[in-house]
Amino acid sequence: QVQLAESGGGVVQPGRSLRLSCAASGFTFSSYVMHWVRQAPGKGLEWVAVIWYDGSNKYYADSVKGRFTISRDNSKNTLYLQMNSLRAEDTAVYYCARNSRAYTYGDEFDIWGQGTIVTVSS
Amino acid sequence: EVVMTQSPATLSVSPGERATLSCRASQSVSNNLAWYQQKPVQAPRLLIYGASTRATGVPARFSGGGSGTEFTLTISSLQSEDFAVYYCQQYSKWPLTFGGGTKVEIK
Repeated sequence: QVQLAESGGGVVQPGRSLRLSCAASGFTFSSYVMHWVRQAPGKGLEWVAVIWYDGSNKYYADSVKGRFTISRDNSKNTLYLQMNSLRAEDTAVYYCARNSRAYTYGDEFDIWGQGTIVTVSS
Repeated sequence: EVVMTQSPATLSVSPGERATLSCRASQSVSNNLAWYQQKPVQAPRLLIYGASTRATGVPARFSGGGSGTEFTLTISSLQSEDFAVYYCQQYSKWPLTFGGGTKVEIK
């Protein structure tokens, strides 16, 4: 069964760091571009970052550029999001999502994880 | 950045009725447009991609249309499980962007 499972969320003080993980199973992880998407409480969806299937390219939303780093370990079938200098406005549910087609980018997201909650508060 | 605008914000519909949701892009995204359904405390679910192609397992009562800057999602006869929030997303240009969502509620 194709699945994504996020972990690593929690409550963190402003200015601190947190690393999220997304474990993939049921498909060839190393063949797919992967994304992080977030959703602030009661708000809509915001795309955060993308990484190419081989890690060769990464792009970020302006709201997180310079503070967040997306990475992956294809040997562990795991996607990561390193979040530094966290702000209150980063409070959200963070989802990992799979690009629908292997070896391409810029497609719809066909598989989503269940999300992990990040709360930035003093 | 391509701004996606969805209307209406809330749509009140009776079960069995037809619902039409709109999504407008600030510039052309061709047919690189997806629709997602999200129920409370659940992750989004892909419904439509390529503006009009239903994803695997999506019932035929869901249909998508449009191209360029104007898109629609139509639910032909609303079932109880269809009451949810619907988001459009463009994947034509970086950064990828979502609309603000349309909540379909029971009338």
